[in-house]
Amino acid sequence: GAGVSQSPSNKVTEKGKDVELRCDPISGHTALYWYRQSLGQGLEFLIYFQGNSAPDKSGLPSDRFSAERTGGSVSTLTIQRTQQEDSAVYLCASSSEGGNNEQFFGPGTRLTVL
Amino acid sequence: SQKIEQNSEALNIQEGKTATLTCNYTNYSPAYLQWYRQDPGRGPVFLLLIRENEKEKRKERLKVTFDTTLKQSLFHITASQPADSATYLCALDTGRRALTFGSGTRLQVQP
Repeated sequence: GAGVSQSPSNKVTEKGKDVELRCDPISGHTALYWYRQSLGQGLEFLIYFQGNSAPDKSGLPSDRFSAERTGGSVSTLTIQRTQQEDSAVYLCASSSEGGNNEQFFGPGTRLTVL
Repeated sequence: SQKIEQNSEALNIQEGKTATLTCNYTNYSPAYLQWYRQDPGRGPVFLLLIRENEKEKRKERLKVTFDTTLKQSLFHITASQPADSATYLCALDTGRRALTFGSGTRLQVQP
């Protein structure tokens, strides 16, 4: 079946603009995660959605970052007033409820803020 | 502070040899630890999970050990092949479902 998809694959924006990144998780997966990966670095947790529960936003680096998940499926990560330090690859992952928490990742969105 | 350390230097080995990658952590008591493979321009791909009460887990040419006393996991690839060249990430479940990742070790297998 289809894996996790993300769009766009690349996004170049100017400092101060807002951007929206989209994630389509694997159908039936109740958990959805956003991570950020800077060049040569590991993944940094941003936010986690589980079913209808309140999301875990503890990883969001500032109030310019927000995310929502509509209908328990598609998620959008929004970055307002982008800064150059926001440049990174934004990865989305999903997993099924319970089990081993094996996470399935999308290909990521490479964001470049000029 | 909580830390996960992987050797940031690339590991270069000859084809056919065993590659051993290390993941050390401090100030965590993870329920389990996972290893992922990441190729350039792609998202990580899950390889293996090992639980805190397991010492060793195997899958084909892969073997993972987990020493909760030393706070260390070792990841072995036996009979390595050039196709095994990639970055390998360890990740801990620290109780909140979202994983905490190390920065990864790049493995290069020379033919």
